Amino acid sequence: EIQLQESGPGLVKPSQSLSLTCSVTGYTITSGYDWSWIRKFPGNKMEWMGYISYSGSTNYNPSLKSRISITRDTSKNQFFLQLNSVTTEDTATYYCARDTMGITRYWGQGVMVTVSS
Amino acid sequence: DVVLTQTPVSLLISLGGQASISCRSSQSLVHSNGNTYLHWYLQKPGQSPQLLIYQVSNRFSGIPDRFSGSGSGTDFTLKISRVEPEDLGVYYCLQRTHNPLTFGSGTKLEIK
Repeated sequence: EIQLQESGPGLVKPSQSLSLTCSVTGYTITSGYDWSWIRKFPGNKMEWMGYISYSGSTNYNPSLKSRISITRDTSKNQFFLQLNSVTTEDTATYYCARDTMGITRYWGQGVMVTVSS
Repeated sequence: DVVLTQTPVSLLISLGGQASISCRSSQSLVHSNGNTYLHWYLQKPGQSPQLLIYQVSNRFSGIPDRFSGSGSGTDFTLKISRVEPEDLGVYYCLQRTHNPLTFGSGTKLEIK
């Protein structure tokens, strides 16, 4: 069975970088699909942040384009999120997911990240 | 960006009742390939979102036929009949026809 698991610090200081890892088991990330990062803000608002495809190409939400980077380590079957220059408005629960045209069958359990000094 | 306007913001439904959620798009969600990439998700308390309906009206594997999706162009609806306690949570529509992918604002379903 395919499983995704986010990991990373739960607290980040303003102006620093947020770095998260998504570890995937049960499927090789180079075999297919897009590998996405999605976040849910306090309240109900959800935001798609971007993805890295199975081929390694990336697609980012233009609202984040200057701050975001999604990379991968195929040897570890992991992909990563880096978000630079964070503010308190980046406080959210971050999910990694396997996606194709928005059809997201597999999600991680989510990791809550708070931006605070 | 495509704006998806979801209504209502919240619903209070009796067990066994019917719920209807509207998702209206700021532009047509028909892709150049003819498909409409409008999907519905449910996020139950303490869980990750789960896929209910994909491409307007296709129930995902294991989703009961109490859930149905309909619509076209810019106007879409999710109906839940015979509401059960396990249906509570926040429902989202999502579009992937246009980049970037965007979500509706969510509809919270509570059970009387």
